[in-house]
Amino acid sequence: QLQLQESGPGLVKPSEPLSLTCTVSGGSISSSSYYWGWIRQPPGKGLEWIGNIYYSGSTYYNPSLKSRLTMSVDTSKNQFSLKLSSVTAADTAVYHCARRGGVTFDYWGQGTLVTVSS
Amino acid sequence: QSALTQPPSASGSPGQSVTISCTGTSSDIGGYNYVSWYQHHPGKAPKLMVYEVSKRPSGVPARFSGSKSVYTASLTVSGLQAEDEADYYCGSYAGNNIWVFGGGTKLTVL
Repeated sequence: QLQLQESGPGLVKPSEPLSLTCTVSGGSISSSSYYWGWIRQPPGKGLEWIGNIYYSGSTYYNPSLKSRLTMSVDTSKNQFSLKLSSVTAADTAVYHCARRGGVTFDYWGQGTLVTVSS
Repeated sequence: QSALTQPPSASGSPGQSVTISCTGTSSDIGGYNYVSWYQHHPGKAPKLMVYEVSKRPSGVPARFSGSKSVYTASLTVSGLQAEDEADYYCGSYAGNNIWVFGGGTKLTVL
């Protein structure tokens, strides 16, 4: 069974970068059939798509975050990562990683809460 | 404000049916048959319940069904059970390798 697990700091200071890693187990991140994505949920709000990455490194970003966002993949570790620069309180959210199969996100991690605060 | 509009809450008694709506635009729901529905019990991983408007992944009960009309997609849960109580989110492809989601609907089983 495919499993995804997010990891990273739970607290980030304003203006600093937010970095998270998703570790994939039970399947290969190098499969040609899938993209890998990040989705976040601010407290009390809905889901927001952040971006997707292919094992080759090809990326697609949410236009509203594109200027601050970098996603990367490490196939040797079966991991992919997110880095969001210059964070503000508005970036406080539960961050989920997910597998994108076709046109849907078919497996998700349980998420990790990142709070932006001094 | 989420890209897709969902009612904040819905409810029904055990055994009843409930329908949750998800309204978008011609750029997302109206433009593609790529609507998905996710069930989320807080603290757990969201679970895919319906994809491509009306298809169910293996293991999802037939009580969960999806449909779409123009710019509005719907998820119907028939024969409500206590374990169906959760938050439900819709999502849609919006073209140009962009995805959008809804604000979520809290389903309460009375």
